[in-house]
Amino acid sequence: DTEVTQTPKHLVMGMTNKKSLKCEQHMGHRAMYWYKQKAKKPPELMFVYSYEKLSINESVPSRFSPECPNSSLLNLHLHALQPEDSALYLCASSHNQASGRMREQFFGPGTRLTVL
Amino acid sequence: ILNVEQSPQSLHVQEGDSTNFTCSFPSSNFYALHWYRWETAKSPEALFVMTLNGDEKKKGRISATLNTKEGYSYLYIKGSQPEDSATYLCAPHSGGGADGLTFGKGTHLIIQP
Repeated sequence: DTEVTQTPKHLVMGMTNKKSLKCEQHMGHRAMYWYKQKAKKPPELMFVYSYEKLSINESVPSRFSPECPNSSLLNLHLHALQPEDSALYLCASSHNQASGRMREQFFGPGTRLTVL
Repeated sequence: ILNVEQSPQSLHVQEGDSTNFTCSFPSSNFYALHWYRWETAKSPEALFVMTLNGDEKKKGRISATLNTKEGYSYLYIKGSQPEDSATYLCAPHSGGGADGLTFGKGTHLIIQP
């Protein structure tokens, strides 16, 4: 199984709502990532989890709260978002080892988020 | 790694022609370079991860070279086909741990029949 799955595929939420994005992989990867992608721009890194611990937070506002409950799951909890947070949110995973090919990241299909 | 530049930003190529484009990056603190293909409505797909100066990787009609001393990588596509139409992203990477990727803005390739 070389697939990263993300749910939901689409999400529309108001600025006062609380919602969560979910990501799952069963490749034994111990590094997982959240990226944000706005139209016509490349994905931008938000968070990195390594062995289920948050290792990188790219100065993301606190209205985005990541969680890694186990080695296969990664969540992104959303609260009090702004319309400018509307974007495609991509999850990815990879091995943690340092050697070349092992470091490629496998991306999920993304969640298209619209904040009204 | 900051200051990742990809050129050209977009490229129109006739079907059957060969093409190439460039990724430039700072040569200091280099560990690896990733190339990804991103087709519309799909997930980014890893093409190559390259680490050694002078390295050359090949996958079907697509190949890439790496020059870590001068800080650039070329991606070549031989005999372009319509299915090659995509955005090609590069991401230089520093460090050996689990780091996220900082992508360039990409080269948007359109293959015209």
